[in-house]
Amino acid sequence: DAKTTQPTSMDCAEGRAANLPCNHSTISGNEYVYWYRQIHSQGPQYIIHGLKNNETNEMASLIITEDRKSSTLILPHATLRDTAVYYCIPELGDYKLSFGAGTTVTVRA
Amino acid sequence: DAGVTQSPTHLIKTRGQQVTLRCSPKSGHDTVSWYQQALGQGPQFIFQYYEEEERQRGNFPDRFSGHQFPNYSSELNVNALLLGDSALYLCASSLGSRFAGESTGELFFGEGSRLTVL
Repeated sequence: DAKTTQPTSMDCAEGRAANLPCNHSTISGNEYVYWYRQIHSQGPQYIIHGLKNNETNEMASLIITEDRKSSTLILPHATLRDTAVYYCIPELGDYKLSFGAGTTVTVRA
Repeated sequence: DAGVTQSPTHLIKTRGQQVTLRCSPKSGHDTVSWYQQALGQGPQFIFQYYEEEERQRGNFPDRFSGHQFPNYSSELNVNALLLGDSALYLCASSLGSRFAGESTGELFFGEGSRLTVL
């Protein structure tokens, strides 16, 4: 199964962009990379996913390297409500996700 | 539009007992997945139900079983509870098969049922 490596934690200033790296060097060619976040005491929330091309939606942008070994989630203008654990997740099967420990992101005023 | 709803929100059991957790998927969704999240860890995939059958299963013992009803709601049953079963149990719903192009692949999670085993 593909494994991911993320920083344990990171801080970000409110209003600035937050760049969250993820290494997934063992991911196979057909596995999507998903990003979810989990705000304290809530269920995980979908952010974005991608395979090869960069993706953007109303929440974030996802930059995937050409060799697909790593990706970066970009929150363009972080707010205090973006404080959460962010998970970079390879898809192992049809909607079967493998969550790691994630990155705890703290947005500071 | 109601999202994914789970019940109960909290419960306490003792070792050896059995527990049943319930999940109603988001309106229009037909696939339900269950995850276990121990304190301080990421969610771990237990199993997934589609068309009232278990479609995929993670690395969990047979003490963990489930069911899906014709209205797509689902139950998670855990027998012979152990202290290590204490966790937040999350239900997630989705539509059909992503591999078949029936959906974008987004999972919608409920708020979870927090189980404490004493």
